[in-house]
Amino acid sequence: AQSVTQLGSHVSVSEGALVLLRCNYSSSVPPYLFWYVQYPNQGLQLLLKYTTGATLVKGINGFEAEFKKSETSFHLTKPSAHMSDAAEYFCAVSDRRSASKIIFGSGTRLSIRP
Amino acid sequence: SAVISQKPSRDICQRGTSLTIQCQVDSQVTMMFWYRQQPGQSLTLIATANQGSEATYESGFVIDKFPISRPNLTFSTLTVSNMSPEDSSIYLCSARQGGDEQYFGPGTRLTVT
Repeated sequence: AQSVTQLGSHVSVSEGALVLLRCNYSSSVPPYLFWYVQYPNQGLQLLLKYTTGATLVKGINGFEAEFKKSETSFHLTKPSAHMSDAAEYFCAVSDRRSASKIIFGSGTRLSIRP
Repeated sequence: SAVISQKPSRDICQRGTSLTIQCQVDSQVTMMFWYRQQPGQSLTLIATANQGSEATYESGFVIDKFPISRPNLTFSTLTVSNMSPEDSSIYLCSARQGGDEQYFGPGTRLTVT
């Protein structure tokens, strides 16, 4: 069975600082990996995804993530935080074979200090 | 990409009643999904809505409580039946067009009193 673990339910960084949100997955086969963002009172928006190929994936709003098979990780980073980045971030995994459903992590709330 | 709308966006319902949530996609999609997001928590998959067949429910969710319809390739409904305060959640619809990406609707915020 697949699962996703997000370390840290709440992360707070200063504006302009590095953002690092951690995600580890468990899967018996190489999975598809996703990061979604949810702004207050809104639905989910895809930030980026890894399916195959280059392990460093660039997404929207300056975010990127690196798939590290040896560490079973897919951490999300952004070099310089902006106030508008404050939101809930979800790491998710999908079975590469069926790709039929997405399993979400518990989420990490990102706060930005002025 | 697919654009997904949901109706209603929010509702306040009395316990014991039922609410049907509609999900409309602006293009034909192969698979549609219904998720529940309880306050302050992550998303939990309720079921996969299959066009022309019965929905496939995840463990802990049953058809009598959450009946789903999928009459065509662009539309689905989820009914929350015999509601209790524990059903207060955000219900999200999502769709997959055949690739690996899922698109999400804005959600329906349900409060049961």
